[in-house]
Amino acid sequence: EPEVTQTPSHQVTQMGQEVILRCVPISNHLYFYWYRQILGQKVEFLVSFYNNEISEKSEIFDDQFSVERPDGSNFTLKIRSTKLEDSAMYFCASSGNGVHTIYFGEGSWLTVV
Amino acid sequence: SQQGEEDPQALSIQEGENATMNCSYKTSINNLQWYRQNSGRGLVHLILIRSNEREKHSGRLRVTLDTSKKSSSLLITASRAADTASYFCATDGSSYKLIFGSGTRLLVRP
Repeated sequence: EPEVTQTPSHQVTQMGQEVILRCVPISNHLYFYWYRQILGQKVEFLVSFYNNEISEKSEIFDDQFSVERPDGSNFTLKIRSTKLEDSAMYFCASSGNGVHTIYFGEGSWLTVV
Repeated sequence: SQQGEEDPQALSIQEGENATMNCSYKTSINNLQWYRQNSGRGLVHLILIRSNEREKHSGRLRVTLDTSKKSSSLLITASRAADTASYFCATDGSSYKLIFGSGTRLLVRP
């Protein structure tokens, strides 16, 4: 069964460093998303991406965050200068055109020290 | 916001019993989806129910939706130890953005 894949599964980074989280969405999907889950808290929406541009973003998704689809298969989330409060599980997700079922990857654990 | 909120927060049952989890939300929705999350793992999609549907089945799962009460329930019948996980409802409205609830932690004792 097709799935969303994410790398790395775990990353530890020092505060102030840049981090890039990578995702390969399901191949025929057109909508891409990033969500995050701080330990013990709800899953929170960060950003949605369609037709090579951001379609919606949350208040969390400030200037420190950016997304990119550098080629036909990858979808990345960049955090320019990480803060301690960026420590969380980051989930990539995708969905098909006109289909609302959203499929999530296994997540990337980010620990900022 | 159109947050989904689940109750109970935690549920402990014996293997073979049924588990019922409830979800409430605040604003109108297009769809409501249920997800499962094993500890520290990804979100596994279980079932989607559209706003014009009242009930949906998938294997041992039964989901109901009452848009007048802005609530949904997830029933897992004949539970197994492998069903131990957190279960989340998530709603979407005018956009594809999902709003998640806090989740129900289900423990199925062997």
